[in-house]
Amino acid sequence: DGGITQSPKYLFRKEGQNVTLSCEQNLNHDAMYWYRQDPGQGLRLIYYSQIVNDFQKGDIAEGYSVSREKKESFPLTVTSAQKNPTAFYLCASSISGSREAFFGQGTRLTVV
Amino acid sequence: KQEVTQIPAALSVPEGENLVLNCSFTDSAIYNLQWFRQDPGKGLTSLLLIQSSQREQTSGRLNASLDKSSGRSTLYIAASQPGDSATYLCAVRSQAGTALIFGKGTTLSVSS
Repeated sequence: DGGITQSPKYLFRKEGQNVTLSCEQNLNHDAMYWYRQDPGQGLRLIYYSQIVNDFQKGDIAEGYSVSREKKESFPLTVTSAQKNPTAFYLCASSISGSREAFFGQGTRLTVV
Repeated sequence: KQEVTQIPAALSVPEGENLVLNCSFTDSAIYNLQWFRQDPGKGLTSLLLIQSSQREQTSGRLNASLDKSSGRSTLYIAASQPGDSATYLCAVRSQAGTALIFGKGTTLSVSS
């Protein structure tokens, strides 16, 4: 059953904590992406990766970090430097950086 | 910088009506354009992908057109149903190897 799995579905973070959102795909896709969605806003790009061990900053990378050590995994860490992290986070992948993109079901992060 | 606009932000129609959702982009030099559907609290579902060399794509009751020169795409939904109620997002890829840039979406409500 191929697809993109994001976990957890809901995540609560205390002030000053770092948290890591998981994104795994078994589609053998090379490219992976992280977006943030806020109410009334479109999706905004945080980071993307075209191949293993390489990634690029998107429009709102400050306060976030990523790694791409394996083709199937692209975890996103929300650091304490991100001042307003409460949002819906979406991970996507595509077979290459030019083809149709597919999304996971998202992780809703709330700061408590 | 590429910007994507979707008008209207919200649309309500009775069941059975044919409707058109609009997407415009500021830089006509795009690589491809993709339409998505998003249900509340869920991830994005890919509907149609149009390459820059194509004029339209069809899937079931959905037809997406692309006019690069005018920076516009439309998503036509035939014989709308209550199950079509969702937010529809348009996204463009400016060059191969870059990430999708999203509009804010049109929220569609189809009443029975």
